[in-house]
Amino acid sequence: KAGVTQTPRYLIKTRGQQVTLSCSPISGHRSVSWYQQTPGQGLQFLFEYFSETQRNKGNFPGRFSGRQFSNSRSEMNVSTLELGDSALYLCASGQAGDSYNEQFFGPGTRLTVL
Amino acid sequence: AQSVTQLDSQVPVFEEAPVELRCNYSSSVSVYLFWYVQYPNQGLQLLLKYLSGSTLVKGINGFEAEFNKSQTSFHLRKPSVHISDTAENFCAVQYTGGYQKVTFGTGTKLQVIP
Repeated sequence: KAGVTQTPRYLIKTRGQQVTLSCSPISGHRSVSWYQQTPGQGLQFLFEYFSETQRNKGNFPGRFSGRQFSNSRSEMNVSTLELGDSALYLCASGQAGDSYNEQFFGPGTRLTVL
Repeated sequence: AQSVTQLDSQVPVFEEAPVELRCNYSSSVSVYLFWYVQYPNQGLQLLLKYLSGSTLVKGINGFEAEFNKSQTSFHLRKPSVHISDTAENFCAVQYTGGYQKVTFGTGTKLQVIP
């Protein structure tokens, strides 16, 4: 089975711009979670989507949004970029039924905001 | 709300020495517990998981962890570390019983010194 893929792997943007990141989960996985990882804050949960519905949300401003398509692929959008948005954005997929939810992570998208 | 505490942000250890990375969680109910590892410039991958049964869990790369319900701990151990074990390690917890969100700790950097 192919693993979780994220595109692009690297991205450079300037303040005020917007960006869209993409995540393709493992085949058969219906849950996709997004995390922001920075040296200072560690791994922070952004949101989780399951069957095209946002099921959980972390404490991030409304500039961060996401969606999930019928094929379980997910996109994350950040509008009006700030310098502090520079981070590694990780996507994780899981089967997320009513049992344990092992997370399978992609390699991440490294976003640099100048 | 569930939470995970990783007391040490960084643990330096000499090659071939034993290591223990500490993890405590807050919960009075049943949980699933996970340890993930992140090598430089990569996403996270599962080291091991505790779901039920034996409290000693063995994982990949010679790592093991012991679930201690009375102390609400799930410490990660390895009897002899190798340079290639240098990585960030994350403990994670999920409440059992239907769908529950996975919560990650802040991470512990295992630094193996040659």
